[in-house]
Amino acid sequence: GAGVSQSPSNKVTEKGKDVELRCDPISGHTALYWYRQSLGQGLEFLIYFQGNSAPDKSGLPSDRFSAERTGGSVSTLTIQRTQQEDSAVYLCASSLAINHLKGTEAFFGQGTRLTVV
Amino acid sequence: GIQVEQSPPDLILQEGANSTLRCNFSDSVNNLQWFHQNPWGQLINLFYIPSGTKQNGRLSATTVATERYSLLYISSSQTTDSGVYFCAARVRAGTALIFGKGTTLSVSS
Repeated sequence: GAGVSQSPSNKVTEKGKDVELRCDPISGHTALYWYRQSLGQGLEFLIYFQGNSAPDKSGLPSDRFSAERTGGSVSTLTIQRTQQEDSAVYLCASSLAINHLKGTEAFFGQGTRLTVV
Repeated sequence: GIQVEQSPPDLILQEGANSTLRCNFSDSVNNLQWFHQNPWGQLINLFYIPSGTKQNGRLSATTVATERYSLLYISSSQTTDSGVYFCAARVRAGTALIFGKGTTLSVSS
């Protein structure tokens, strides 16, 4: 697509429920990143994909968080047994491969605002 | 991992003033980007500048990779420039794009 697309744009869920957030990267971008931004804070790295593999998942805050990517395209971030502290904006970005000769500029989607009540 | 530090954390300007935002990073980088986060939360790409100097209208940026810093210049600031400016960097052999904590700019008329 023309840009990085995330869905849903807003999600309200009850504490203890599971949620799935979706990211559709720019066509041809093999690198994909998930970040979390709490209110008034900076961007916290969660996980990075190169193709379908995740060389760096060091930012996932707990084992309730997981992500997958299939077909080198769409990625899903899953949060199990949501807690109130999971409330944040979840941002996805994509870029060409990390060492691509054309550069590795990352472009962000609009984010998914998650509220756990 | 790489550390990215931005200064100042907050900046208040009168419309028409010029400003310089700084980003220091702790390691060699193959990606350095500046973003503007608008009031709706969208991250707008300003510059992709792992080295050298670029200009786009009233904004320009310079990265001195050997000295591990980047500067973002805003000239003749406007109220629409208000928001948070983020610097983000990735090391040559690393993976994730790591963000600084941002500079919050407020421009008043």
